[in-house]
Amino acid sequence: GENVEQHPSTLSVQEGDSAVIKCTYSDSASNYFPWYKQELGKGPQLIIDIRSNVGEKKDQRIAVTLNKTAKHFSLHITETQPEDSAVYFCAASRNTGNQFYFGTGTSLTVIP
Amino acid sequence: SAVISQKPSRDICQRGTSLTIQCQVDSQVTMMFWYRQQPGQSLTLIATANQGSEATYESGFVIDKFPISRPNLTFSTLTVSNMSPEDSSIYLCSVLSVNYGYTFGSGTRLTVV
Repeated sequence: GENVEQHPSTLSVQEGDSAVIKCTYSDSASNYFPWYKQELGKGPQLIIDIRSNVGEKKDQRIAVTLNKTAKHFSLHITETQPEDSAVYFCAASRNTGNQFYFGTGTSLTVIP
Repeated sequence: SAVISQKPSRDICQRGTSLTIQCQVDSQVTMMFWYRQQPGQSLTLIATANQGSEATYESGFVIDKFPISRPNLTFSTLTVSNMSPEDSSIYLCSVLSVNYGYTFGSGTRLTVV
């Protein structure tokens, strides 16, 4: 089955700096890679996703890059704000209708 | 996204008892899933709730411990049976819909004492 690894497990950045979270996956058949943000006491919320037919996707301050050859994908948050503080999970699946395999999560703290 | 109502939001239960968690969606969805998130950990899929038939369980999870019902396209329940402190976790309902993709509920925080 799929194995998703996520690094780092914790990340602290100063407000305004950039944050990067990286994930690797093992199943070359995986083709859908979402990122979720989980705030304290809430369920994970989808913030951005990418499919294997593109290498990069951007939505305002958030971007995701995918390297299919190396089987890794990354979340980039620019101009971080305190409200970006949360736990972020990456995931991989063969398509949106199949089981998601989640990374172990990254606890991001943005220091004002 | 699809709006998911998950109840209860939290509960404290005695060991040996059972708790049923409800998941109600505001629109018909293709698939419904139940996840467990242990403290500080990632999300682990318990099972896929199938409408009108037995749920499909992942390795390490069994029907006797986690019976699941899905009587229609918008509702499912997960029961945590004969609870022990090791069952203390957040239990999350998630759904897949054609219109809104993959959405999570806000979770049920269970503490077993």
